[in-house]
Amino acid sequence: EVQLVDSGGGLIQPGGSLRLSCVGSGFTVSSNYMAWVRQAPGKGLEWVSVIYNGDNTYYADSVKGRFTISRDNSKNMLYLQMNSLRAEDTAVYYCGRDRYYYDTGGYSNGMDVWGQGTTVTVSS
Amino acid sequence: QSVLTQPPSASGTPGQRVTISCSGSSSNIGNNYVYWYQKLPGTAPKLLIYRNNQRPSGVPDRFSGSKSGTSASLAISGLRSEDEADYYCSAWDYSLSGPIFGGGTRLTVL
Repeated sequence: EVQLVDSGGGLIQPGGSLRLSCVGSGFTVSSNYMAWVRQAPGKGLEWVSVIYNGDNTYYADSVKGRFTISRDNSKNMLYLQMNSLRAEDTAVYYCGRDRYYYDTGGYSNGMDVWGQGTTVTVSS
Repeated sequence: QSVLTQPPSASGTPGQRVTISCSGSSSNIGNNYVYWYQKLPGTAPKLLIYRNNQRPSGVPDRFSGSKSGTSASLAISGLRSEDEADYYCSAWDYSLSGPIFGGGTRLTVL
């Protein structure tokens, strides 16, 4: 079964750091585009970061320079290193497999497999 | 204010057909594929439609997607109580050089 399980959330003070983890099963994380999406309390979904081939990455402006997406091929893991956390980063974070590609119809960018979500709360 | 505009709410009665719109521009929907997700409270989003109108295996054919110009729509026919959820559209945006979500539509089954 294709599955993702994310973890690593918790309560952290403003300015602190946290690393989220996401382990894949039933498929190879390193062979796929992978992403993080979040949902703040009472708000909609927001793309946070995507990792494409090699070192190509995307970050939302709201997290650029503070968050880093990476993966460990040997462990079939995806990570999101979050530094300089702010109250507005409080959200449920979901990892996912991104079926990204490009053809004559344009970019196709969407997640077909999702983790269950891990909660990050930034508060003093 | 999202770049992709969805109505904040929609409603229908059981058995009815409802449509949720997603309005964008040539920078996103007009020249890229649209995805639709269903989000229930406390659960991860679920992919309903990919590449404008394709259904993943396991998604009932009551759900259908379409795209015309810079707008897209999700239609749900034979509405059921379990369809009560939040629905989000998503597409790549050239101006932002990244993917974006619509603001979401809360569907109520009366």
